Amino acid sequence: AQKITQTQPGMFVQEKEAVTLDCTYDTSDPSYGLFWYKQPSSGEMIFLIYQGSYDQQNATEGRYSLNFQKARKSANLVISASQLGDSAMYFCAMRENNRDDKIIFGKGTRLHILP
Amino acid sequence: DTGVSQDPRHKITKRGQNVTFRCDPISEHNRLYWYRQTLGQGPEFLTYFQNEAQLEKSRLLSDRFSAERPKGSFSTLEIQRTEQGDSAMYLCASSRGPINDNEQFFGPGTRLTVL
Repeated sequence: AQKITQTQPGMFVQEKEAVTLDCTYDTSDPSYGLFWYKQPSSGEMIFLIYQGSYDQQNATEGRYSLNFQKARKSANLVISASQLGDSAMYFCAMRENNRDDKIIFGKGTRLHILP
Repeated sequence: DTGVSQDPRHKITKRGQNVTFRCDPISEHNRLYWYRQTLGQGPEFLTYFQNEAQLEKSRLLSDRFSAERPKGSFSTLEIQRTEQGDSAMYLCASSRGPINDNEQFFGPGTRLTVL
């Protein structure tokens, strides 16, 4: 079974609009962490935001926020006021804290910001 | 530059040859990870080290693959008798550790092409 599911292979969004990238996850571990990474065409993986399973509030980092719905096992990334430089691949990922330290990645969503 | 570095950035080799990649983590980071990313996919975990100890190896890491971190600093990943299916981006990441540390910092990757 997929641990991380990103159902949107690609998205096109007008510049300055907000965009939501979907992510659902599957784990039986009560302690886990959820991540979003950005991968531009240059290839490097850029950490964006982290949400711990016990965190009471949704994580925010500048224009990025994580809409964490624990009961639904959903961890959508919201980018406000999108910019042309936001065009990239976006990966949702999870670490199951009681298993090991590896991060499991989804297949990604390619985001295109239109001028 | 105090980030994670990887060398070489690109490697083209013929099938059957051996290749070795190097990763230099952020200096104070105890944990070092190797991932493999094929085209259109998210990174897949290969192995990780806590200092010089290799703590986990993925089933993806066949016996042709070996990783070392002899002094708990830099790490090498060697692939023997390369096959065309080994063509991928090999990503290295590091973190402070212990478990529950929020962020793994990724290097720029080594892109391997096996002809």
